[in-house]
Amino acid sequence: QSALTQPASVSGSPGQSITISCTGTSSDVGGYNYVSWYQQHPGKAPKLMISDVSNRPSGVSNRFSGSKSGDTASLTISGLQAEDEGDYYCSSYTSSSTLLVFGGGTKLTVL
Amino acid sequence: QVQLQQSGPGLVKPSQTLSLTCAISGDSVSSKRDAWNWIRQSPSRGLEWLGRTYYRSKWYNDYAVSVKSRITINPDTSKNQFSLQLNSVTPDDTAVYYCARDPYVWGFDSWGQGTLVTVSS
Repeated sequence: QSALTQPASVSGSPGQSITISCTGTSSDVGGYNYVSWYQQHPGKAPKLMISDVSNRPSGVSNRFSGSKSGDTASLTISGLQAEDEGDYYCSSYTSSSTLLVFGGGTKLTVL
Repeated sequence: QVQLQQSGPGLVKPSQTLSLTCAISGDSVSSKRDAWNWIRQSPSRGLEWLGRTYYRSKWYNDYAVSVKSRITINPDTSKNQFSLQLNSVTPDDTAVYYCARDPYVWGFDSWGQGTLVTVSS
């Protein structure tokens, strides 16, 4: 069981917007602004999409945005495209001795 | 553009030591900004951060509590690379292992290609 809770799957049609949630506790997501989001395609390494809750690295489409409210962080993808299909993972720094925790991942299907 | 190239065996026997190396190009293992990490991924454990090494006037290491008694991450400044050693492996350590750079605070922007390590006799 992962430390951060994500929905197992989400889906949307091309052009629509979807949001993936990532729920933790006050010891991780709620207590620090060190939440990151990753996209992973089959057989590939994860790709950083968002760091520090809402910072988009250079080269990442502005269709991707991140936010946080309380113990829950969210990744929103607007204008869904077929290439957005894949697995998405959140991570957060934690004050526990573990230091970093990941979510269990969310499979995004573009219908 | 930083690139990370992993090398090491894909098969390790139970109770032996898993050893992987991550060669860095386009950046320096001695960078005072970056941290160099090892992360693994398996169907049973998902993504799991294992540890990191970084230089801030001296070398530091942090390790995940789950592997702390078995793990060593070392920088090699002469070859601009860093390594992972995981001792006393069991089949539960079977996973794809990745090296990754963290130029932010806990955000990994560059990853190695991944190495599937199977622990089996």
